[in-house]
Amino acid sequence: QVQLVESGGGVVQPGRSLRLSCAASGFTFSSYGMHWVRQSPGKGLEWVAVIWYDGTKKYYADSVKGRFIISRDNSRNTLYLQMNSLRAEDTAVYYCARDLRFSADFWGQGTLVTVSS
Amino acid sequence: QSALTQPASVSGSPGQSITISCTGTSSDVGGYNYVSWYQHHPGKAPKLMIYTVNSRPSGVSNRFSGSKSGNTASLSISGLQAEDEADYYCSSYTSSSTVVFGGGTKLTVL
Repeated sequence: QVQLVESGGGVVQPGRSLRLSCAASGFTFSSYGMHWVRQSPGKGLEWVAVIWYDGTKKYYADSVKGRFIISRDNSRNTLYLQMNSLRAEDTAVYYCARDLRFSADFWGQGTLVTVSS
Repeated sequence: QSALTQPASVSGSPGQSITISCTGTSSDVGGYNYVSWYQHHPGKAPKLMIYTVNSRPSGVSNRFSGSKSGNTASLSISGLQAEDEADYYCSSYTSSSTVVFGGGTKLTVL
């Protein structure tokens, strides 16, 4: 069965960096695009970024463009999100999800990132 | 990348039908048939209920259906059940090759 397991969350100071990982199993990872989506406390879902199945195309929300980098290692079945210059407003649960025609058909359980001094 | 517009809340009694709207622009909802709907129970992972406007993933009840007219998409739920109580989000592909979510709708089953 499809499994997505995020890791790497934690507490980080403003301006610092953090890298999230998403380990995929149960499907052919290299055949699917992948998304990152986040939810800040008390707020709705916010799309963050998408990467094509082969890593050739990447797109970002305006709120993270220039600060976050999405990448993947198809040999390790792993998706990444490098988050730089973190701000308090980046505090959220971050989910990785598998793409299905620009929707997300399978989601991980999420990892919490807290940006605070 | 403005969020799609959804009503903050809707409610209905068990057995009734409800509809949640999702309004965007010609650059997102109106321009592409890539509208999706998600059910989200707090503390759990979101669940895909509808994709490409009106397709249901395997395992999703046929009580859930989607449609679109112009810049507005809709999610309909018939035969409301207590377990349908959750937050619902729409999303759409955009002309910038990104994805945008709606603000979410809290469904209360009375």
